[in-house]
Amino acid sequence: ETGVTQSPTHLIKTRGQQVTLRCSSQSGHNTVSWYQQALGQGPQFIFQYYREEENGRGNFPPRFSGLQFPNYSSELNVNALELDDSALYLCASSLSQTGGRGEAFFGQGTRLTVV
Amino acid sequence: ILNVEQSPQSLHVQEGDSTNFTCSFPSSNFYALHWYRWETAKSPEALFVMTLNGDEKKKGRISATLNTKEGYSYLYIKGSQPEDSATYLCAAGVGAIIFGKGTRLHILP
Repeated sequence: ETGVTQSPTHLIKTRGQQVTLRCSSQSGHNTVSWYQQALGQGPQFIFQYYREEENGRGNFPPRFSGLQFPNYSSELNVNALELDDSALYLCASSLSQTGGRGEAFFGQGTRLTVV
Repeated sequence: ILNVEQSPQSLHVQEGDSTNFTCSFPSSNFYALHWYRWETAKSPEALFVMTLNGDEKKKGRISATLNTKEGYSYLYIKGSQPEDSATYLCAAGVGAIIFGKGTRLHILP
């Protein structure tokens, strides 16, 4: 077990709705990154939070937003859901600010289906 | 668009044989290369983090090398075992962290 937990594990939403996914980081980690993995693809970087501030963003529209809380847990919010948002969403926690040099530990993901 | 390429996409290897696969990444703004093993129904598990050109890392029968000048890393598995069946992901830190699509390894008994 990595110590990173995500909730819920599965979710079905209707197009146009909003969704919030949650991630509890591994103890002591201050950086969380979110990824989207569509079927047959590698994970795509959405954004990263370091000490409650967004610290880098991938090529995702503004309807993908996030929060990191003082206890370093995190949320991913997606507004106006589209069918293409159906994917596995992974969060990963790490110690370093860059998120690149330190090991990242992944949660088991949330499987989102938009119908 | 920065791309991390992994090859092959899929690989079938006889138990006991050795194998290797490749991760190619853009060499500009590079600061780290990660390898993960992702077994079905589990979270990706970190194998190695490498940062310096010429780095070599080893964990049991699995090892990896890094060439930052030409932008590639190799992952080697010696004496494949059934438990090695998984998808192997590499990710390059080049500003954002960019993942490849993975190499799916199947070990045949």
